[in-house]
Amino acid sequence: NAGVTQTPKFRVLKTGQSMTLLCAQDMNHEYMYWYRQDPGMGLRLIHYSVGEGTTAKGEVPDGYNVSRLKKQNFLLGLESAAPSQTSVYFCASSYSGAQYFGPGTRLLVL
Amino acid sequence: AQKVTQAQTEISVVEKEDVTLDCVYETRDTTYYLFWYKQPPSGELVFLIRRNSFDEQNEISGRYSWNFQKSTSSFNFTITASQVVDSAVYFCALTPANQAGTALIFGKGTTLSVSS
Repeated sequence: NAGVTQTPKFRVLKTGQSMTLLCAQDMNHEYMYWYRQDPGMGLRLIHYSVGEGTTAKGEVPDGYNVSRLKKQNFLLGLESAAPSQTSVYFCASSYSGAQYFGPGTRLLVL
Repeated sequence: AQKVTQAQTEISVVEKEDVTLDCVYETRDTTYYLFWYKQPPSGELVFLIRRNSFDEQNEISGRYSWNFQKSTSSFNFTITASQVVDSAVYFCALTPANQAGTALIFGKGTTLSVSS
């Protein structure tokens, strides 16, 4: 039982490049979330999903897209990366109440 | 609107001291959950506790204890006899209990440094 996993762990992008972050959970949770963590800002919600095939915007959705084609996976896409998207990205899943987080992806956009 | 405030940005203590991390929240929901998470220097987020709004019983788990007071909208976390391994960023968080899938609202965190 791996819990929540994230791929990749670390990535460097140039401005304008695109990439996809993968989140996978093996707990059969309905709900999944993408957060970003920036110094002094805590964690802020980017997008979330309440079930397979559904997604919704969070607090800071601009510049990101998501997809939930399979219940266990939640993808976060950056179509044209910007330096302001340099951050640590956390995926989480939950069934009821407590959210369980992945190890994070550190993204640097130059 | 919902909000979580952790007024202490950084706290430094010496090993074996007791330390309390403050958390004050705002919500219009009548039922909600409160959480504490720990983020050690390695970066992962570790779930510590969840508390239901209708359960004001304080909880103790080893050296950790939590004081939930609905009257003051506070959910404070105390570490007794702190250890160097307790050094981490601690986040308090809130979510409504009756809205499926709602994300957590996090405070900005308190950085705890425990020196030997």
